[in-house]
Amino acid sequence: QVQLVESGGGVVQPGRSLRISCAASGFTYSDYSMCWLRQAPGKGLEWVATVSYGGSDTYYADTVKGRFTVSRDNSKNTMNLQMNSLRAEDTAVYYCARAHLGTLVLSPLDYWGQGTLVIVSS
Amino acid sequence: DIVMTQSPDSLAVSLGERATINCKSSQSVFYSSNNKNYLAWYQQKPGQPPMLLIYWASTRESGVPDRFSGSGSGTDFTLTISSLQAEDVALYYCQQYYSGPQTFGQGTKVEIK
Repeated sequence: QVQLVESGGGVVQPGRSLRISCAASGFTYSDYSMCWLRQAPGKGLEWVATVSYGGSDTYYADTVKGRFTVSRDNSKNTMNLQMNSLRAEDTAVYYCARAHLGTLVLSPLDYWGQGTLVIVSS
Repeated sequence: DIVMTQSPDSLAVSLGERATINCKSSQSVFYSSNNKNYLAWYQQKPGQPPMLLIYWASTRESGVPDRFSGSGSGTDFTLTISSLQAEDVALYYCQQYYSGPQTFGQGTKVEIK
């Protein structure tokens, strides 16, 4: 069965960096574009970043562009989100999710991980 | 960016009654070349990640009960729960994937009256 498991969340000071990861299993990982989304406490869903199925194309929300970098390793079925210059407003549960339409970067998201909590606070 | 606006923000419905959630996009998400609306609906229960219910505005995801249905086209869409069950208490979000960045509505909370 499809599984997505995030890791690496925690408490980090403003201006510092953190890397979170997503481990995928149960499907042919290299056939799917993958996304990061986040949800601030008590708030709605916000798309953060997408990496194409091959890893060569990446897309970012304006709120994180220039600070966050998404990457994937298809040999290890993993995806990472390197988050630099973190701000208090980046505090959220970060979810990885699979693109239902496979290789397309704009897609409904059919499988989600349980999320990893990132708290940016001094 | 396409702005997605849901209404109402919350609603309370009696068990077995119909629940209707609306979603309006700031521009059309209909692609005429393939006759598809690039609109999805999700359900999120407390402490859980979202779950895909419907995509292409009206296609039910595998395993989703048939009491959930989606309708609409262009800029106006509706998610209907035909007979509300206790397990349907949740937040519901619409999402457009017509153009980047993909965007979500603010969510609608469904409760039991």
